[in-house]
Amino acid sequence: GAVVSQHPSRVICKSGTSVKIECRSLDFQATTMFWYRQFPKQSLMLMATSNEGSKATYEQGVEKDKFLINHASLTLSTLTVTSAHPEDSSFYICSARDPGGGNNEQFFGPGTRLTVL
Amino acid sequence: EDQVTQSPEALRLQEGESSSLNCSYTVSGLRGLFWYRQDPGKGPEFLFTLYSAGEEKEKERLKATLTKKESFLHITAPKPEDSATYLCAVQGVFNTDKLIFGTGTRLQVFP
Repeated sequence: GAVVSQHPSRVICKSGTSVKIECRSLDFQATTMFWYRQFPKQSLMLMATSNEGSKATYEQGVEKDKFLINHASLTLSTLTVTSAHPEDSSFYICSARDPGGGNNEQFFGPGTRLTVL
Repeated sequence: EDQVTQSPEALRLQEGESSSLNCSYTVSGLRGLFWYRQDPGKGPEFLFTLYSAGEEKEKERLKATLTKKESFLHITAPKPEDSATYLCAVQGVFNTDKLIFGTGTRLQVFP
């Protein structure tokens, strides 16, 4: 299957700082990438859909000014958590759909564990 | 509202003891149903996509089936390395990008 990477794998930051998470598709070009958040023992919740060259589409209840998404190339999307607070601590996972795959499945990155002190 | 419910929440099996995981769904027109495996602290790993009732797919000890209301993931003679959380997700025809996930079944296989 297609390979998606994320960096960093874990980050600890102080309250009020901003954190950037990168998501890369390694062996395919992804016009669309997705950002999810997962709290312990809960389901993955879609936060936003990232479209290359255009603005991201945010799910209801997700603050677009707090979670900045940039999809500047066909292999890279970034999520910046601005002015992070302890309640933003979570597991953030990106995914991408391989347009050449033909089956519409999304391939996920390994996730980024964010801890805000 | 599109919804996915998985059961049981947790399952403990002895090595070699076959069982099934359930995924019940409601969606306004099913485009696809997906099964993923997730290990602790990792992202989900794609297993199967099912598109229509009656469809079945197999991979090693796993077999996924689909009806109009639910999907089953059958695990035959599981091994300890099959221990993981298994996630089910659906995609509707009216929002082809969005995956709606269940909360998963946490499977533990003991030797």
